[in-house]
Amino acid sequence: DQQVKQNSPSLSVQEGRISILNCDYTNSMFDYFLWYKKYPAEGPTFLISISSIKDKNEDGRFTVFLNKSAKHLSLHIVPSQPGDSAVYFCAASYTGANSKLTFGKGITLSVRP
Amino acid sequence: ETGVTQSPTHLIKTRGQQVTLRCSSQSGHNTVSWYQQALGQGPQFIFQYYREEENGRGNFPPRFSGLQFPNYSSELNVNALELDDSALYLCASSLGWVSVYNEQFFGPGTRLTVL
Repeated sequence: DQQVKQNSPSLSVQEGRISILNCDYTNSMFDYFLWYKKYPAEGPTFLISISSIKDKNEDGRFTVFLNKSAKHLSLHIVPSQPGDSAVYFCAASYTGANSKLTFGKGITLSVRP
Repeated sequence: ETGVTQSPTHLIKTRGQQVTLRCSSQSGHNTVSWYQQALGQGPQFIFQYYREEENGRGNFPPRFSGLQFPNYSSELNVNALELDDSALYLCASSLGWVSVYNEQFFGPGTRLTVL
């Protein structure tokens, strides 16, 4: 039972264009969501997060949108750069003791020069 | 300030053996979580330790066990290894429970291969 789903395994975009990475979740208890980026031979690195009380959070080139009614979030990267090529994981959790991160399978983003 | 480190980097074991993986948390962090990342999958939560006590466990059998030490370093022990235990094992530390206010910092992982 996958509670966080990233249905597209890969995405390829041209440098300078927008990258849109999608994520769906099923657990209504989740109240915050995170995106992690992972390069080969490195651990995941936190990118951006959003609390369920918001519908948008922006940090430089990265923006995360949350649609609670659809249980859907997306990460927008504008403009995309070749250094953004990596695996991106969507993760979700709920606030409180014993909380844990539940990850999606990840999506491999390739930004073509 | 040093980041999260893990040892060893790679490990090869045979079925039935036991393995211990180690993690050194980021300075000042009192919470450590362990994740298993199988090939083509996202990290799966194994368990979390907060101030030396287990504080949450995922859907893993008891042969997966852990320890957190007073200096907040941690071990993951796996007994009776099975072929499906082959994966990247990630350790993550944070200051307090995972929340929107407490970022988890991941180590580079230990690649375990079970033959």
